[in-house]
Amino acid sequence: GESVGLHLPTLSVQEGDNSIINCAYSNSASDYFIWYKQESGKGPQFIIDIRSNMDKRQGQRVTVLLNKTVKHLSLQIAATQPGDSAVYFCGLNTGGFKTIFGAGTRLFVKA
Amino acid sequence: NAGVTQTPKFQVLKTGQSMTLQCAQDMNHNSMYWYRQDPGMGLRLIYYSASEGTTDKGEVPNGYNVSRLNKREFSLRLESAAPSQTSVYFCASRPGATPYEQYFGPGTRLTVT
Repeated sequence: GESVGLHLPTLSVQEGDNSIINCAYSNSASDYFIWYKQESGKGPQFIIDIRSNMDKRQGQRVTVLLNKTVKHLSLQIAATQPGDSAVYFCGLNTGGFKTIFGAGTRLFVKA
Repeated sequence: NAGVTQTPKFQVLKTGQSMTLQCAQDMNHNSMYWYRQDPGMGLRLIYYSASEGTTDKGEVPNGYNVSRLNKREFSLRLESAAPSQTSVYFCASRPGATPYEQYFGPGTRLTVT
């Protein structure tokens, strides 16, 4: 079945640096990928998404890259701020109602 | 708009007790979901409701039941709680089959002793 894994359970970056959070997936039929941010004590919140027919999508300070050849997804956060400290999840959808989520990477931002 | 609301925020149960977690959304979304979140395991789907009147099992449905009471409300019931059901439970909704973005509630932290 489908599976989603993140490369690192935690990531620590200096304030102002760029952060890169990675995700690997197994299902070639996945057509939609999504990133969520979860702050402590809260529910996940949508950040950005990308369809399988795209390689890159940019938002405000965030960029998602999709490499379908190696089944790899990454989230890049530019100029990381203390408010970016959270757990980040990737998710994939194969066109139905269900999304498969990865375990999450906890991002620590050092001042 | 309140978005997705969940009650209660915290609950402690003894093994064998039952309870219902409540979820409501005010965004007129068709699809609603229940997930559990355990350390190191991400979000796992328990049940979902693609539209009012339908419910389907997710990845980990054993020990749970759901009711899609109306378009707004989707409840999760634990008939006989077990320590393995200690977790944080999230309800989510989304407009329908697309777009895929889900909106999550604040969660219910459940402890079963």
